[in-house]
Amino acid sequence: AQKVTQAQTEISVVEKEDVTLDCVYETRDTTYYLFWYKQPPSGELVFLIRRNSFDEQNEISGRYSWNFQKSTSSFNFTITASQVVDSAVYFCALSDENNNAGNMLTFGGGTRLMVKP
Amino acid sequence: ETGVTQTPRHLVMGMTNKKSLKCEQHLGHNAMYWYKQSAKKPLELMFVYSLEERVENNSVPSRFSPECPNSSHLFLHLHTLQPEDSALYLCASSQEMLAGVGDTQYFGPGTRLTVL
Repeated sequence: AQKVTQAQTEISVVEKEDVTLDCVYETRDTTYYLFWYKQPPSGELVFLIRRNSFDEQNEISGRYSWNFQKSTSSFNFTITASQVVDSAVYFCALSDENNNAGNMLTFGGGTRLMVKP
Repeated sequence: ETGVTQTPRHLVMGMTNKKSLKCEQHLGHNAMYWYKQSAKKPLELMFVYSLEERVENNSVPSRFSPECPNSSHLFLHLHTLQPEDSALYLCASSQEMLAGVGDTQYFGPGTRLTVL
């Protein structure tokens, strides 16, 4: 069965520090997608990135970068030079073909990131 | 309006009340979802609709009743709720549901529900 584990429940850093949020997934499929979402205190889940299982290139978007490693079933997220506005709960999610009817997401438990000034 | 909107943003109700949550998506998507987020279980999928037909119902109690009159609107009708139903209810939409794996789901801001 599919599973997503975010072992870090809470991380606290000081502004300008780099921080990496870990995500480990389990799936039996060869075709799957991985996602990261940000949930600020307002509550809305904001989509950050989608990555398919055939594309292992790392991605960088401004201060955000993602490291996808199939060998360790991990899809880690790094924020460089963190800012207070980065404080939020971050969710990693998996979509694979084992779900009953297509496009279901399996979410990790989330990591609460607190960036202090 | 853009994206996915939800109303009301906050709702307080008694256990005997009947209320409804509304979700509207302005993205031209064909699939819509209801999720429940509480402190005990971070994100639980409740219902999925694809082209206005319910596809998935993850064993949700009958006191929650969804309705999808068209592909842009989704409702969650609430009646005789329990205090443990207090949570953040999130709506999401995606382009397709049954077409396969990997469509991105876009979420609304949620309705924070408190049941007294």
